[in-house]
Amino acid sequence: AQSVTQPDIHITVSEGASLELRCNYSYGATPYLFWYVQSPGQGLQLLLKYFSGDTLVQGIKGFEAEFKRSQSSFNLRKPSVHWSDAAEYFCAVAKNNDMRFGAGTRLTVKP
Amino acid sequence: KAGVTQTPRYLIKTRGQQVTLSCSPISGHRSVSWYQQTPGQGLQFLFEYFSETQRNKGNFPGRFSGRQFSNSRSEMNVSTLELGDSALYLCASSLEGPASNQPQHFGDGTRLSIL
Repeated sequence: AQSVTQPDIHITVSEGASLELRCNYSYGATPYLFWYVQSPGQGLQLLLKYFSGDTLVQGIKGFEAEFKRSQSSFNLRKPSVHWSDAAEYFCAVAKNNDMRFGAGTRLTVKP
Repeated sequence: KAGVTQTPRYLIKTRGQQVTLSCSPISGHRSVSWYQQTPGQGLQFLFEYFSETQRNKGNFPGRFSGRQFSNSRSEMNVSTLELGDSALYLCASSLEGPASNQPQHFGDGTRLSIL
């Protein structure tokens, strides 16, 4: 069955530290891959996307993600976290007009 | 360019009632998708409309329905409301659909509370 897994429900990092949020998917073929961020009471904002080509994708707000076909993963990274990055992050996959989201990872940033 | 607009932002209903939510997509976007977000189930796909036709549907009961108008605006209707329908309902629009190379843009959602 098609699925998206974000293994970490909640992550806490100190401001200035590096960040990696994990995402694994299970699909018959490589789907389109996305990372979204959601602040409280808001909708989802697209951080970055992967369709094909270079497996390291740059997004907004200093985020990047790396697609690894062999591991069916699309992990999100940021070298130095800012307090304003505290939010919920969703990995999503799409194929054949069907989009599925992971359960989300809540990021807390310590001062 | 105006973003995706969802109205109303908040709604309170009682069990058994019905509700209609509205979504105005970004100008030029022909695809509108609806999602239900709850703490327990996360983000779940309801359905997607493209050029007034439902192209895809998630695993929700028939009480959940939608439609899309010729100007691409979409409405979602939920009949015979249940307590479990309390959720944030998100609408997203895109040029070609969720699985195209054009990303979806989300509205801020309608928070539906069932008493």
